[in-house]
Amino acid sequence: NAGVMQNPRHLVRRRGQEARLRCSPMKGHSHVYWYRQLPEEGLKFMVYLQKENIIDESGMPKERFSAEFPKEGPSILRIQQVVRGDSAAYFCASSPALAGGKNIQYFGAGTRLSVL
Amino acid sequence: DQQVKQNSPSLSVQEGRISILNCDYTNSMFDYFLWYKKYPAEGPTFLISISSIKDKNEDGRFTVFLNKSAKHLSLHIVPSQPGDSAVYFCAAIPPNAGNMLTFGGGTRLMVKP
Repeated sequence: NAGVMQNPRHLVRRRGQEARLRCSPMKGHSHVYWYRQLPEEGLKFMVYLQKENIIDESGMPKERFSAEFPKEGPSILRIQQVVRGDSAAYFCASSPALAGGKNIQYFGAGTRLSVL
Repeated sequence: DQQVKQNSPSLSVQEGRISILNCDYTNSMFDYFLWYKKYPAEGPTFLISISSIKDKNEDGRFTVFLNKSAKHLSLHIVPSQPGDSAVYFCAAIPPNAGNMLTFGGGTRLMVKP
């Protein structure tokens, strides 16, 4: 039973390039969350998606960042024209449908983005 | 504006003794709390959770206590083992927030053999 899969594990980009981070949720999970962790800090919520829908993007920077979770395939976090301040660990989590309760989020191993 | 705070960045404990990790929150609307453990270069792993209708939840060596009036929760690990050495994050969920987590800054626990 595979867990949350993120790739790549490490991504190096030069300033101005685009970064694409992928996340495949656990089998049977329909909810995906993206979090960012800056060095020596906790994880900060970015965006919450269900299949083909963005439910909450209140944590996403207004520019350059976008996310999608298509009907088929993984969820993608896209960062355009990266800057050095985008260097961080990006974690994806998934959970099953909420069904009125609180559901545990299961995390992937993260993608470490380094912007040169 | 940090709504969830872990004021101790690190904690060192002897193997076999109790580890107590603390977490404070400011948003009284939070109604569900979780603890995650994180090893270097890995994602957070869920440990234990507690609903605001309870004041204690226990799972093996891990117990979480919730004091709503003080807006404080703690994680107790007894007995501590060297494999428990990791960064521990507390997280909270407000009602009707789509399950998104608000994390504290983490506490690095070191259990010495």
